[in-house]
Amino acid sequence: SQQGEEDPQALSIQEGENATMNCSYKTSINNLQWYRQNSGRGLVHLILIRSNEREKHSGRLRVTLDTSKKSSSLLITASRAADTASYFCALLSGTYKYIFGTGTRLKVLA
Amino acid sequence: NAGVTQTPKFRVLKTGQSMTLLCAQDMNHEYMYWYRQDPGMGLRLIHYSVGEGTTAKGEVPDGYNVSRLKKQNFLLGLESAAPSQTSVYFCASSLTLRGSSGNTIYFGEGSWLTVV
Repeated sequence: SQQGEEDPQALSIQEGENATMNCSYKTSINNLQWYRQNSGRGLVHLILIRSNEREKHSGRLRVTLDTSKKSSSLLITASRAADTASYFCALLSGTYKYIFGTGTRLKVLA
Repeated sequence: NAGVTQTPKFRVLKTGQSMTLLCAQDMNHEYMYWYRQDPGMGLRLIHYSVGEGTTAKGEVPDGYNVSRLKKQNFLLGLESAAPSQTSVYFCASSLTLRGSSGNTIYFGEGSWLTVV
């Protein structure tokens, strides 16, 4: 399966701490995106990293991509209670559709 | 500023009944998708469309049909609902996916379907 697999499945941290979640995949990719899903809502795009990029920043978010290891990580710095959500990686792998991973459930405790 | 709109938001069906989920986008996007989300399974692609009048199967197409008669609308049909189709359904759209640049996928708010 091309599906990305996030790790860990669940993560609980204190407000102000950093949260790191990982996505591993099995095939070559064109790009990889990260999405956030608040409980009971649709997914919202966070950041896209292309296969020829190694690192990308957006505000408190930092995404890295290691194509040799077929993995990506999402770092949220100085987390806030509002960051509590599920986070998904999505892979575009040479076809006209994205495949989503199983997600990491992040809980930030105030 | 509607984006992607799904209807209905909640529905309870009896086994064997049929229904259609409606998805509309106002961003002039070429690509549209239907996903289902189940606990522990993440999002799985049911069907997708790369343009008006086209449809294609995703990962889990069995038991579903789709139509894209107008560019802005993508309909998901359940001809004979089964309890295994109890899920949250998400419609999504994107401008295009060609090339390595990719494009943001915009999601609707979801449709909760229970089949009893």
